[in-house]
Amino acid sequence: GENVEQHPSTLSVQEGDSAVIKCTYSDSASNYFPWYKQELGKRPQLIIDIRSNVGEKKDQRIAVTLNKTAKHFSLHITETQPEDSAVYFCAAQSGGGADGLTFGKGTHLIIQP
Amino acid sequence: GAVVSQHPSWVICKSGTSVKIECRSLDFQATTMFWYRQFPKQSLMLMATSNEGSKATYEQGVEKDKFLINHASLTLSTLTVTSAHPEDSSFYICSATESRGSYNSPLHFGNGTRLTVT
Repeated sequence: GENVEQHPSTLSVQEGDSAVIKCTYSDSASNYFPWYKQELGKRPQLIIDIRSNVGEKKDQRIAVTLNKTAKHFSLHITETQPEDSAVYFCAAQSGGGADGLTFGKGTHLIIQP
Repeated sequence: GAVVSQHPSWVICKSGTSVKIECRSLDFQATTMFWYRQFPKQSLMLMATSNEGSKATYEQGVEKDKFLINHASLTLSTLTVTSAHPEDSSFYICSATESRGSYNSPLHFGNGTRLTVT
């Protein structure tokens, strides 16, 4: 089955700086890679996703890059703000949506004021 | 946007009793629903995949007789934790997708259910 590794487990950055979270996956058949933001006690919220036919996607301060050859993908958050503080999960999925997501272990992002 | 409603949001039950959690897709037809469990400060672990009208597919290590899943319609899936024990205390989250063949559709998550077994 799929295995997703996520690093770092905790990331502390100064407000206004950039944050980068990296994930690797094992199943070359995986073709969908979403990123979720989860605040304490709440549901995961999809913040950005990328499909295997695209190398990069950007949405305002958030961007995701995908390297299919190396089987890794990264989340980039620029100009970080206090409300960006949360746990971020990467995930991988194959099977055209018929398979559940395999999540990374999460990164606790702390934005220092 | 797509909305998934999960109920109850929290439940406290005594050891040995059963608890049912409902997951509804409110404005789309959910071909597939997934049930996840999340322990404190840990990631979401897939428990089972639920397809409308067929038996659920359980992940390795998840007891199908303990975690009963029913997906009777395209908008409702239920998870019943039978004979609950304190170690079953966790955050259970459902998600649903309007999967269309080979095209991955985003998963929409419910708000989760905090189960505490005393």
